Amino acid sequence: AQRVTQPEKLLSVFKGAPVELKCNYSYSGSPELFWYVQYSRQRLQLLLRHISRESIKGFTADLNKGETSFHLKKPFAQEEDSAMYYCALRTGGGADGLTFGKGTHLIIQP
Amino acid sequence: KAGVTQTPRYLIKTRGQQVTLSCSPISGHRSVSWYQQTPGQGLQFLFEYFSETQRNKGNFPGRFSGRQFSNSRSEMNVSTLELGDSALYLCASSRDRGEKLFFGSGTQLSVL
Repeated sequence: AQRVTQPEKLLSVFKGAPVELKCNYSYSGSPELFWYVQYSRQRLQLLLRHISRESIKGFTADLNKGETSFHLKKPFAQEEDSAMYYCALRTGGGADGLTFGKGTHLIIQP
Repeated sequence: KAGVTQTPRYLIKTRGQQVTLSCSPISGHRSVSWYQQTPGQGLQFLFEYFSETQRNKGNFPGRFSGRQFSNSRSEMNVSTLELGDSALYLCASSRDRGEKLFFGSGTQLSVL
């Protein structure tokens, strides 16, 4: 069965510093990888997906199949980036449900 | 466009009872998925409905069931509630299967 691991429950960085949220997965096939974000008192929402290869709010994530990782990065953190971040995986060409990691609480200190 | 609407927002039940949660997807969205969120297990996939048919199911006992109506609205039912069923239940809709998911605010279920 597939699995998503986010090793950090909590990550605290200063404003302007680089941010890297780690995500590792286990799945023998070719999964789709996603990052979801939940800001305080807001709904869970899609941040980005690996097939889009886009940058959203300055965040990027590259799928590394060799290391089975999909780390989320941002060069300069902003206070509004403080939120819960969830890495998720989907198999079956979109036919299956999402498998989520436990999430990382990112705190950006002023 | 209105977002995904889940009712009720909060629910308190006792062990052994059953409960029905409701989800209205975004207009035009035909796929509805349900997830359970708990502090211990995190977010776990329950099931997905598309065109009134369950297309996929997560690893949950048969006490958890659902259905989808012709207008794409969905309900999930949990029978013979257990303390461990206390959780936030999230509904998500998408225009089609495999497309971007939009989540609701959830229904917080407490089982006493």
